[in-house]
Amino acid sequence: DVVLAQSPLSLSVTLGQPASISCRSNQSLIYSDGNTFLNWIHLRPGHSPRRLIYKVSHRDSGVPDKFSGTGSGTDFTLKISRVEAEDLGMYYCMQGTHGGWTFGQGTKVEIK
Amino acid sequence: QVQLQESGPGLVKPSETLSLTCDVSGGAISNNYWGWIRQTAGKGLEWIGRISSRGTTNYSPSLRGRLSMSVDTSKNQFSLNLTSVTAADTAVYFCARAGNYYDTSGSFLFDTWGQGTLVTVSS
Repeated sequence: DVVLAQSPLSLSVTLGQPASISCRSNQSLIYSDGNTFLNWIHLRPGHSPRRLIYKVSHRDSGVPDKFSGTGSGTDFTLKISRVEAEDLGMYYCMQGTHGGWTFGQGTKVEIK
Repeated sequence: QVQLQESGPGLVKPSETLSLTCDVSGGAISNNYWGWIRQTAGKGLEWIGRISSRGTTNYSPSLRGRLSMSVDTSKNQFSLNLTSVTAADTAVYFCARAGNYYDTSGSFLFDTWGQGTLVTVSS
């Protein structure tokens, strides 16, 4: 089974400061066609979950460019360049490369 | 733009069957894959399973045996049934789009989610 390990599990950030979340897989997430199906999902109370990033670094439509995704193989990172109040909530990485999609444990982002 | 809305009872008794429906609006259910995910207090997000608009299913091994999914293209909706529930099945259940037949870019993989519905298993 593919296991995704996120770190940190909790992050307290001052408004306007950057934040970074790591996601590490116990297997390569490179699919046979060369694509890497690693997404980042944001869950905020009172809102539907929102996909921010797909295929490691592709930002979804409407997602501000303060969000960026990088990485390859087994190591991935989500960065928020300047945290705003609306960015609080849970962030999950998820993989769609191997059958039976899996999620990281989640990272709780709080505003200081 | 596709929108999803879950519906179903918020309270289910232990050993009974949990049944949820996801209504798809703003787009066709056809030619897509649709999934269910749940969020529990202790375990975060867990993939439950997916169904294609043609009815092909893939289930999480941990729930296989208790799980069934169906799709009704005439009503633009898909459903989940989970039998013999216990308190461990208490969770917020989400439906989401889980891909498109003709897309290999991954752009439709969990791009759209419902708002979620809380299901509590309790007597």
